[in-house]
Amino acid sequence: EAQVTQNPRYLITVTGKKLTVTCSQNMNHEYMSWYRQDPGLGLRQIYYSMNVEVTDKGDVPEGYKVSRKEKRNFPLILESPSPNQTSLYFCASSLGGSLTEAFFGQGTRLTVV
Amino acid sequence: EDQVTQSPEALRLQEGESSSLNCSYTVSGLRGLFWYRQDPGKGPEFLFTLYSAGEEKEKERLKATLTKKESFLHITAPKPEDSATYLCAVGWHTNAGKSTFGDGTTLTVKP
Repeated sequence: EAQVTQNPRYLITVTGKKLTVTCSQNMNHEYMSWYRQDPGLGLRQIYYSMNVEVTDKGDVPEGYKVSRKEKRNFPLILESPSPNQTSLYFCASSLGGSLTEAFFGQGTRLTVV
Repeated sequence: EDQVTQSPEALRLQEGESSSLNCSYTVSGLRGLFWYRQDPGKGPEFLFTLYSAGEEKEKERLKATLTKKESFLHITAPKPEDSATYLCAVGWHTNAGKSTFGDGTTLTVKP
């Protein structure tokens, strides 16, 4: 079954404690992207990757890092989380780039206290 | 500044009552306009991609259209299972990987 898998689904952490949210896809997609979703602000793009070792900033990259060492995985790293990073995070992947027929993960609800 | 605006914010319909959702955009060099559906607690699910003005796509009770400034998602004779948040997003040629979403329209269809 074609899918994008995020882990964990829920996470409560403390300010400053480094964390990684993993994203894995099984469709051999070149394009992957991270978004955060906040009430009243919609989905905002954090980082994206057009292919292995190729990453670029979206609209809200501050406080986040990513890496793309292999095609299937695109982890999101928060090196020093702060309460304003409390949000619902989604990973997406697609074959042709951008949002054409993109598959989204189930989301990771992160709370930073 | 590139912007995507969806209206209305919320829409309540009776089952069978057709209506339209609007997505207006100010993007120079549109690469594609995308419609997604999002159910509570889930990730968005792809519906349509539109590339050029005049293009139309249909799927069951949904029909998406595109002009140079906006897109409409027409819902014909909706059913309660069509209740969801509908998201519009755009991508552009100058930066293929970037995308901007609107805030969405939450549709509720009452039986």
